[in-house]
Amino acid sequence: QLQLQESGPGLVQPSETLSLSCAVSGDSISSSRFYWGWIRQPPGKGLEWIGHIYYSGSTYYNPSLESRVTISVDTSNNQFSLRLSSVTAADTAVYYCARIRTTSNWFDPWGQGTLVTVSS
Amino acid sequence: QSALTQPRSVSGSPGQSVTISCTGTSSDVGRYNYVSWYQQHPGKAPKLMIYDVTKRPSGVPDRFSGSKSDNTASLTISGLQAEDEADYYCCSHAGMYTLVFGGGTKMTVL
Repeated sequence: QLQLQESGPGLVQPSETLSLSCAVSGDSISSSRFYWGWIRQPPGKGLEWIGHIYYSGSTYYNPSLESRVTISVDTSNNQFSLRLSSVTAADTAVYYCARIRTTSNWFDPWGQGTLVTVSS
Repeated sequence: QSALTQPRSVSGSPGQSVTISCTGTSSDVGRYNYVSWYQQHPGKAPKLMIYDVTKRPSGVPDRFSGSKSDNTASLTISGLQAEDEADYYCCSHAGMYTLVFGGGTKMTVL
């Protein structure tokens, strides 16, 4: 059964870089049928697509975050990562990783999510 | 890239049907048949309920159905049950490999 698990610091200082990883188990991240993506949800608010990556390294980002976001893939360890630079309190959110079907772009499954708080 | 528009809340009694709308533009919902819907219970990760506008993943009850007309997609839940009370989000392909979510709808079972 495919599972995704986020990991990373729960507290990040303002202006620093947020770094998270997503470990994939039960399927190969090198599948040609899927992308691997990140979504976030500020407390009490809705979902926001951050971006996604193909196993080849091709990346696609939300235009509103593109200048600060980097998503990378590590096929040898079957995981992918998110880096968000110059964070502010507005970046405080639960961050989810998910598998995304190519073409149709549906998200399934999702990781359990990890809360990242930006505060000094 | 603006968020898709959903009603903030909807409600219905057990056994009734409710419909949640998701309005976009001719550049996203209206242009692509790639609308998906997610159910999210408090403190939990979202769960895929509908994809490609009308398709149901294995394990999702057939009480859940999707449709689309022009720039508006809809999720209908028939035969409402207590466990259907949750937040629901739509998502659409928005061109150039970008994706956009709706603002979310809180569905209450009265």
